Amino acid sequence: KAGVTQTPRYLIKTRGQQVTLSCSPISGHRSVSWYQQTPGQGLQFLFEYFSETQRNKGNFPGRFSGRQFSNSRSEMNVSTLELGDSALYLCASSSTSGPLRLGGETQYFGPGTRLLVL
Amino acid sequence: GEDVEQSLFLSVREGDSSVINCTYTDSSSTYLYWYKQEPGAGLQLLTYIFSNMDMKQDQRLTVLLNKKDKHLSLRIADTQTGDSAIYFCAEGGGSYIPTFGRGTSLIVHP
Repeated sequence: KAGVTQTPRYLIKTRGQQVTLSCSPISGHRSVSWYQQTPGQGLQFLFEYFSETQRNKGNFPGRFSGRQFSNSRSEMNVSTLELGDSALYLCASSSTSGPLRLGGETQYFGPGTRLLVL
Repeated sequence: GEDVEQSLFLSVREGDSSVINCTYTDSSSTYLYWYKQEPGAGLQLLTYIFSNMDMKQDQRLTVLLNKKDKHLSLRIADTQTGDSAIYFCAEGGGSYIPTFGRGTSLIVHP
């Protein structure tokens, strides 16, 4: 079974531009969560999509948005990039939405997209 | 707001037990998670515990939860060099909006 894939793996943009990152979950998984990791702020939850609906959202400005397609692939978009948006963006897939259940479900993470904003 | 605190570093000898500690402030936390991040590798969900549990064991991993003191710990028995990584504690309420600690770097030396 293929793992979680993220594209692109590396990206360089300049301030003011916008960027779209893609995440393909494990086959059969309907939940995709996004996270931002920076040296300054650490790991932060961005949002979660389940069956094309945003279920949960972290404390990020409206410049950060996402969507999920019917095949469960998800994209996140950051508009008007700022230097502080430079980060590793991780996505994870799961078969269930929200908190993990006692049934043993878990999350599987992709390798991340490293974004550098100049 | 919610806050999750962890010590930054822990150094142990191979074969010893490691105990990584975490404190959180949100009393409504329902779920508590431990994640592992190895150098150059992605994040991995190691284990999780529900707030109505005191302990969870999974092979070499033991999670202890003291809800009164809002203290969570991860014990790794027989620590190996392959356990060297950054370990993140996270807490979440009824909705999955986890708050992460800054991570504890576990260094295992021979």
